[in-house]
Amino acid sequence: KAGVTQTPRYLIKTRGQQVTLSCSPISGHRSVSWYQQTPGQGLQFLFEYFSETQRNKGNFPGRFSGRQFSNSRSEMNVSTLELGDSALYLCASSPWTGGNTEAFFGQGTRLTVV
Amino acid sequence: KQEVTQIPAALSVPEGENLVLNCSFTDSAIYNLQWFRQDPGKGLTSLLLIQSSQREQTSGRLNASLDKSSGRSTLYIAASQPGDSATYLCAVRAGANSKLTFGKGITLSVRP
Repeated sequence: KAGVTQTPRYLIKTRGQQVTLSCSPISGHRSVSWYQQTPGQGLQFLFEYFSETQRNKGNFPGRFSGRQFSNSRSEMNVSTLELGDSALYLCASSPWTGGNTEAFFGQGTRLTVV
Repeated sequence: KQEVTQIPAALSVPEGENLVLNCSFTDSAIYNLQWFRQDPGKGLTSLLLIQSSQREQTSGRLNASLDKSSGRSTLYIAASQPGDSATYLCAVRAGANSKLTFGKGITLSVRP
């Protein structure tokens, strides 16, 4: 079974641009969550999608948005990039069948804003 | 607001030592707790998941325990190896529909 796949692995963007990150969950997993990881703040929750609906949202500005498609694939978008958005963005999927919430993470997308 | 603490931030041990990594959380009303491993620049690998009704889980040389009433979990690594060198993170989920709240992690170095 393939794991969680995130693309691209690395991105360099200029301040003010926007970026879209993609996450393909493990087959059959219905929940997809996004986290931002920085050396200072650690792992912080962005949002979670379940059956194409945003179920939870973290404390990030509206520049951060996401969506989930009918095949459970998810995208995350950041508009008007700031230098502080440089981070490792991690996606996690969970089965959610039978209450199984074990999270499996992808390799992440390393975003650098210059 | 749930807070998860992992102390110390870094640990260095000689190969072969048995070791315990600690995780504490402020709100004992959790749904489950998960331990992860992260290698530099990589994603997180799930090690063990403990449901709130369980006391411990084992996988190979790893054993994780959970004491909800005291807000603590420990990850026991037996006979440590250099390949165990990584950052170990614990995360708690407050409810079935809730997010994971992470600690900052413990960076483990196992010296040959």
